[in-house]
Amino acid sequence: DAKTTQPTSMDCAEGRAANLPCNHSTISGNEYVYWYRQIHSQGPQYIIHGLKNNETNEMASLIITEDRKSSTLILPHATLRDTAVYYCIVRPSRGSGAGSYQLTFGKGTKLSVIP
Amino acid sequence: DTAVSQTPKYLVTQMGNDKSIKCEQNLGHDTMYWYKQDSKKFLKIMFSYNNKELIINETVPNRFSPKSPDKAHLNLHINSLELGDSAVYFCASSPKGLASDTQYFGPGTRLTVL
Repeated sequence: DAKTTQPTSMDCAEGRAANLPCNHSTISGNEYVYWYRQIHSQGPQYIIHGLKNNETNEMASLIITEDRKSSTLILPHATLRDTAVYYCIVRPSRGSGAGSYQLTFGKGTKLSVIP
Repeated sequence: DTAVSQTPKYLVTQMGNDKSIKCEQNLGHDTMYWYKQDSKKFLKIMFSYNNKELIINETVPNRFSPKSPDKAHLNLHINSLELGDSAVYFCASSPKGLASDTQYFGPGTRLTVL
């Protein structure tokens, strides 16, 4: 079972920042927040992950609240190619049994970037 | 350079047949995975392999069997195909199979059972 809650869908104007929220109120101290996306008819693609601190890479920024119960993925300048389903996933930071290896995908947020 | 590749991309077959899907990764990763995405778009883990050892096996029918001839390959064999097996199957790999590893996915194989 997915341990995250995301809006079903969102729209964003091309060139604007896309802010995708995720609630993970039951997250434990050793669990990372991961973001993947799946563009239509392609395999999931890693975007970014974080534990406590905010993170930024060439694709996106990840803002994690101080209590770690929610986070926001930010695509600073959305393009049409960013239209995809975005998955927020909580994973343990240390392996402890078979379940720690897997990615458990929820329903994700379908982001539509509009021209 | 394709990091994780799968063949075939599309597979259409009759019920009762036996088929295989191949997966190769050129990333030098130790762990590989198979995921299934059903018609409702839910992605679920099926198997993972680390150093030729099966380390997780979700509740999938034993008609499905992963086979790894070497560290770079993890093939999925399916016996006695059923209508419900129709789905998109994704292969993935990760460096060490650690819980914190990033997984890299292949393009998927769309299996249609008639």
